[in-house]
Amino acid sequence: EIVLTQSPDILSLSPGERATLSCRASQNIRTYLAWYQQKPGQSPRLLITDASNRATGIPARISGVGSGTDFALTISSLEPEDFAVYYCQHRTSRPSVIFGQGTRLEIK
Amino acid sequence: EVQLVESGGVVIQPGGSLRLSCEASGFTFGDYAMHWVRQPPGKGLEWVSLINLRGTNAYYADSIKGRFTVSRDNTKSSLYLQMNSLRPEDTAFYYCARDVNKYGGHSYYFDSWGQGTLVTVSS
Repeated sequence: EIVLTQSPDILSLSPGERATLSCRASQNIRTYLAWYQQKPGQSPRLLITDASNRATGIPARISGVGSGTDFALTISSLEPEDFAVYYCQHRTSRPSVIFGQGTRLEIK
Repeated sequence: EVQLVESGGVVIQPGGSLRLSCEASGFTFGDYAMHWVRQPPGKGLEWVSLINLRGTNAYYADSIKGRFTVSRDNTKSSLYLQMNSLRPEDTAFYYCARDVNKYGGHSYYFDSWGQGTLVTVSS
């Protein structure tokens, strides 16, 4: 059974800084990975599909990289609206869907 | 504008049954597979179910298999989740979500979400 592990659990940064969030899969998942952003009281928002493809309307400062077991979501220069919880997600072959436990990006 | 609006969440006793609804607008509902995803308050996301375009195939998470049934009515642009034998661990916000891929070939990525409806299972 594939497990997605995100790190760190909490990331404290200031606006304007660069953020790098990690998602590690317990098995090779090629590039079948998505990233979501969720703000308090809101539903999740799709950011990235297939590890590196930005979803519609997602700004260029947000990017995804990786393949196999190691993936990263990078925000090049943090804006106030970027502080939120981020989840990675993979579709398994069963079929089923798994999510990472989330990384909270908070203002330092 | 794509809109998904869930309804039906209540406080219910363990062992009870409940049906959630999700009404879609702003797109051709029958062109997309649909999912249910849940989130216990203050916790992470858990995928629940997928139903294909025509409602002829459905897939479920192991945690709810045999207790929940997903269905859809494309004439009403609506998605449903019948929940039976509810347990305290089913307490969560339930979101309906649209699959990214149009016309099938399920991507299992979710590009539009409703605001969620809260189901609380408690005696």
